[in-house]
Amino acid sequence: DVKVTQSSRYLVKRTGEKVFLECVQDMDHENMFWYRQDPGLGLRLIYFSYDVKMKEKGDIPEGYSVSREKKERFSLILESASTNQTSMYLCASSPSEDNEQFFGPGTRLTVL
Amino acid sequence: DAKTTQPPSMDCAEGRAANLPCNHSTISGNEYVYWYRQIHSQGPQYIIHGLKNNETNEMASLIITEDRKSSTLILPHATLRDTAVYYCIVRVWNYGQNFVFGPGTRLSVLP
Repeated sequence: DVKVTQSSRYLVKRTGEKVFLECVQDMDHENMFWYRQDPGLGLRLIYFSYDVKMKEKGDIPEGYSVSREKKERFSLILESASTNQTSMYLCASSPSEDNEQFFGPGTRLTVL
Repeated sequence: DAKTTQPPSMDCAEGRAANLPCNHSTISGNEYVYWYRQIHSQGPQYIIHGLKNNETNEMASLIITEDRKSSTLILPHATLRDTAVYYCIVRVWNYGQNFVFGPGTRLSVLP
């Protein structure tokens, strides 16, 4: 089974802190994605990567950056956390030949 | 991506078939229909997808109308663990593009 893991299920940070959310997949997938999910807004794509060291902006990249140094790991970085970044963050991966995305369990981030 | 319309909520008795409809009247010829579900506090889970033929796997069946303007996801014998939000998504088979999740249908399976 494909496994996508995220470093934390719950995280509480203070405004202005730098926050790292880590995602690891064990199926050698080329594509990896970061979404945030908010009530009434569905899932919104923040960034995605289709190869190591490659990244593309999604629909809402402002306030975020990403890093993909290794194929299996895709990190989401909040340079200076703000309260409006309180959300559920979901990581996903998919192989290049198939568009089925496999999601991690999510990280619920609260910024105080 | 074409827009989809789903009922906001549905109930189903345990052990009965759950039929979840989705309208996608503006779907284009190269867009697939995908279904995902999300159980509370978990990430979305892939269920099934199809282009124009009906599809079946171990989880569900997908029935797509001949004009492809609507589809139905069928869970043949719903259990309490199938209580979740179900998302119908249409998109092109396109490398690297994201999925657009709408509000979905909240299915409650009742004992």
